[in-house]
Amino acid sequence: AQSVTQLDSHVSVSEGTPVLLRCNYSSSYSPSLFWYVQHPNKGLQLLLKYTSAATLVKGINGFEAEFKKSETSFHLTKPSAHMSDAAEYFCVVSGALTGGGNKLTFGTGTQLKVEL
Amino acid sequence: GAGVSQSPRYKVAKRGQDVALRCDPISGHVSLFWYQQALGQGPEFLTYFQNEAQLDKSGLPSDRFFAERPEGSVSTLKIQRTQQEDSAVYLCASSLGGRTSGSEQFFGPGTRLTVL
Repeated sequence: AQSVTQLDSHVSVSEGTPVLLRCNYSSSYSPSLFWYVQHPNKGLQLLLKYTSAATLVKGINGFEAEFKKSETSFHLTKPSAHMSDAAEYFCVVSGALTGGGNKLTFGTGTQLKVEL
Repeated sequence: GAGVSQSPRYKVAKRGQDVALRCDPISGHVSLFWYQQALGQGPEFLTYFQNEAQLDKSGLPSDRFFAERPEGSVSTLKIQRTQQEDSAVYLCASSLGGRTSGSEQFFGPGTRLTVL
C-alpha cells in the first residue's frame, strides 16, 4: 500500500519569500507522485506530476518539486510567493486499481498562508 | 463547459433521507472516480468506473453507498438513509484512460453534503 505524509498542516510565508511544502511518501514500487492545489470553493487543480522521468519536475505558476528516492521525499517549492498562492496543497501518490485505473491517495493537506 | 461538473453544489438532508449526487465527466473520458473529503482532511477514494463497469468499490464506507454509470458517461452517487457522519464534500474526477498510473485526473468542484 502507498501513502504520503505532509509534515506541516500550516505554513505561513511573506509575499516574495520562498515556499517549501514538505511531503514524504511510502510505496513498495516506483510511485507516481502529484501535487494538487485547492482554492476555496474551487475544484482541485493539478500543479505538477512525477512519473519516473526527470526527478526535478516543473509545474504551473512557478512551482516545482524534486523526487528524492533516497529520502522518499517529494517537496514542493516556489522561489517567490504571491498572494494568490494562498490555498490548500495536497501531496498525492498514485496506485494501481483493479482494471488498470489509478487510485489517488491524498495527504492531509498543507494550508499555505501568504502575508504582505 | 469543458470541465467536470457536479450537481447539486450544496445539499442539505435530514438524517435518514436518501440523496443522489450527479457527476458529468469530461466528454470522452473513460475513467471516473468518486472521492469523499471530510472537513479538514484530504479526499479519500470511494469507487472507480471504467466506462460503465464499476471496477473498484473498495472505498465505499457502507452498503448505504451506491454508485452507477449506466451508459459510461454521467455517474450518480447515491447515499441511502443518510447519517451525520456522511457530511462531507463529494468529489468526482475523470481521466482519459485507465491503463497508465500517471494519467491525470480532472476534478469537479464537488457537492457539499450536510446531514442534519
